[in-house]
Amino acid sequence: EIVLTQSPGTLSLSPGERATLSCRASQSISSSYLAWYQQKPGQAPRLLIYGASSRASGIADRFIGSGSGTDFTLTISRLEPEDFAVYYCQQYVSSYTFGQGTNLEI
Amino acid sequence: QVQLVQSGADVKEPGASVKVSCKASGYTFSRYYVIWVRQAPGQGLEWMGIVNPSGGSITYAQRFQGRVTVTRDTSTSTVYLDLSSLTSEDTAMYYCARANYDISGYPGYFDSWGQGTLVTVSS
Repeated sequence: EIVLTQSPGTLSLSPGERATLSCRASQSISSSYLAWYQQKPGQAPRLLIYGASSRASGIADRFIGSGSGTDFTLTISRLEPEDFAVYYCQQYVSSYTFGQGTNLEI
Repeated sequence: QVQLVQSGADVKEPGASVKVSCKASGYTFSRYYVIWVRQAPGQGLEWMGIVNPSGGSITYAQRFQGRVTVTRDTSTSTVYLDLSSLTSEDTAMYYCARANYDISGYPGYFDSWGQGTLVTVSS
């Protein structure tokens, strides 16, 4: 099973700042098979990025996915108040696994 | 618009079974796989099973094999999750989600989610 490790566990930033979230895989994943989700309290996850760098429908362009091999990054270029949430990465090259999440807090 | 509407919260005793439903609308049901994902309180996401509504093929996560059953009813565009032999560790929010296809045609990422169904296991 491919294990995804996200870091940091918690990231404390302010609106207007840049956020960089990391997702590392236990073995190489083609860049086409990684997704990112955002989850707010009491809500279902929402797809942000698929194929490592493609934004899902309706997702703001401040959300940028990048990476390949074992190291992937979600960058939020300029934080808005509504961006504070938990973020999960997910691989789909071999079955499905999710990272443990990064809590982005104000 | 794509919608997945799940059944309401449920409370079960240890050892019982639970059945959760997920009704899809706003798209052609047979064209997209549907996956079940659960989330224990304060924890991360864990997939349980995925079904191809066209043909009915199902794949289960290994850790739930033998305890979970996923079915679908094409006449009502509904997918069901059955989980048996419940313990307190099965207390969680259960989500269904539509799986969209990656570049190789594999149902890889999840672009629409149900609202979640809270299952509480308690005596």
